[in-house]
Amino acid sequence: EPEVTQTPSHQVTQMGQEVILRCVPISNHLYFYWYRQILGQKVEFLVSFYNNEISEKSEIFDDQFSVERPDGSNFTLKIRSTKLEDSAMYFCASGGDTFGSGTRLTVV
Amino acid sequence: GEDVEQSLFLSVREGDSSVINCTYTDSSSTYLYWYKQEPGAGLQLLTYIFSNMDMKQDQRLTVLLNKKDKHLSLRIADTQTGDSAIYFCAESTLNTGGFKTIFGAGTRLFVKA
Repeated sequence: EPEVTQTPSHQVTQMGQEVILRCVPISNHLYFYWYRQILGQKVEFLVSFYNNEISEKSEIFDDQFSVERPDGSNFTLKIRSTKLEDSAMYFCASGGDTFGSGTRLTVV
Repeated sequence: GEDVEQSLFLSVREGDSSVINCTYTDSSSTYLYWYKQEPGAGLQLLTYIFSNMDMKQDQRLTVLLNKKDKHLSLRIADTQTGDSAIYFCAESTLNTGGFKTIFGAGTRLFVKA
């Protein structure tokens, strides 16, 4: 069964550093998404991506965040200058309902 | 804005049925989902139901949807210790930005042997 792959599974970074979270979505899907889950809290929508551009974003997705699909295969989420409160599990989703296993980001 | 509410905890004995309830506010939901999350793991799609259906059965899982009351439930028959996890209810609406999914806070299911 096709699956969404995320790397790395765990990333530790220093506050202020840039991080790039990577996802390989399901190849024939058209929409891709990023969600985050702060420890013990709800899974929250960040952004949806269609036809190489952002189609919708939440208020969480500020100027520190960006997404791109650089090579038609990978789908990345970049956080430009990480803050402590960015520590969370970040999930990539493909097609609307298929989620990756997540990247746990820890900002120290 | 849209919201999904579910109770935080449920404890059952092994072999009993578990029923996890959820309410949502968005009347234009297209799909309603149940996801399972084990400790430290990702979101596993358990089952989903179209908003124009009342019921869906998939092996031990039964999903009931009351669209009028915006109430969704997941029944797990013959609950096993391996079913212990957090279960997320989610509703998804198709708009110009694709599917936007709103999750509940999750119900932690404890199964006692």
